[in-house]
Amino acid sequence: GAGVSQSPRYKVAKRGQDVALRCDPISGHVSLFWYQQALGQGPEFLTYFQNEAQLDKSGLPSDRFFAERPEGSVSTLKIQRTQQEDSAVYLCASSSRGEAKNIQYFGAGTRLSVL
Amino acid sequence: KQEVTQIPAALSVPEGENLVLNCSFTDSAIYNLQWFRQDPGKGLTSLLLIQSSQREQTSGRLNASLDKSSGRSTLYIAASQPGDSATYLCAVRQGGSQGNLIFGKGTKLSVKP
Repeated sequence: GAGVSQSPRYKVAKRGQDVALRCDPISGHVSLFWYQQALGQGPEFLTYFQNEAQLDKSGLPSDRFFAERPEGSVSTLKIQRTQQEDSAVYLCASSSRGEAKNIQYFGAGTRLSVL
Repeated sequence: KQEVTQIPAALSVPEGENLVLNCSFTDSAIYNLQWFRQDPGKGLTSLLLIQSSQREQTSGRLNASLDKSSGRSTLYIAASQPGDSATYLCAVRQGGSQGNLIFGKGTKLSVKP
């Protein structure tokens, strides 16, 4: 596709439910980032992949959060036993390692509401 | 720990006015700085990226400056239009070319016709 695609766009979950959020990066982009954006705040870094390798997961808020990118393309962010504080927009971004400016291109995000 | 601050948090101006958005960061050891635009319910659109060795970048009516030593960047918007209404986010990248971005909370801009 032409841009970063995220699905679903909206997700409502009951507290305690597991959710999975999908990110399709721009084709050929090596780097993939996940960010969490709470209402009225700037995005905060969660985790980073280079191809299939998860090189940095320092931003994941708890062990309930898990991300994978098994074939170095599509990535999934999984949240187990969701809590109300997990309600936020989850943004995915990708960038091309070969691009001089290393601009990160963002998807539209998944808005997660935990009731 | 790097902290990014944006002032003001919100700004309302009449159409046609020139305006400046401010961004400051606490650690000057950045790789680059990027300005984004975010419309409600949408993702982030990159506006301008300034490498740490650069002083400014221009795109159309937008001009971004960077003073790395003082930890400041400004985004100048000339002849503002109602279509410029959005939240503007400043972000710095550290840790080399593959580092994650650290964002400010944004400035919500409203341009009144």
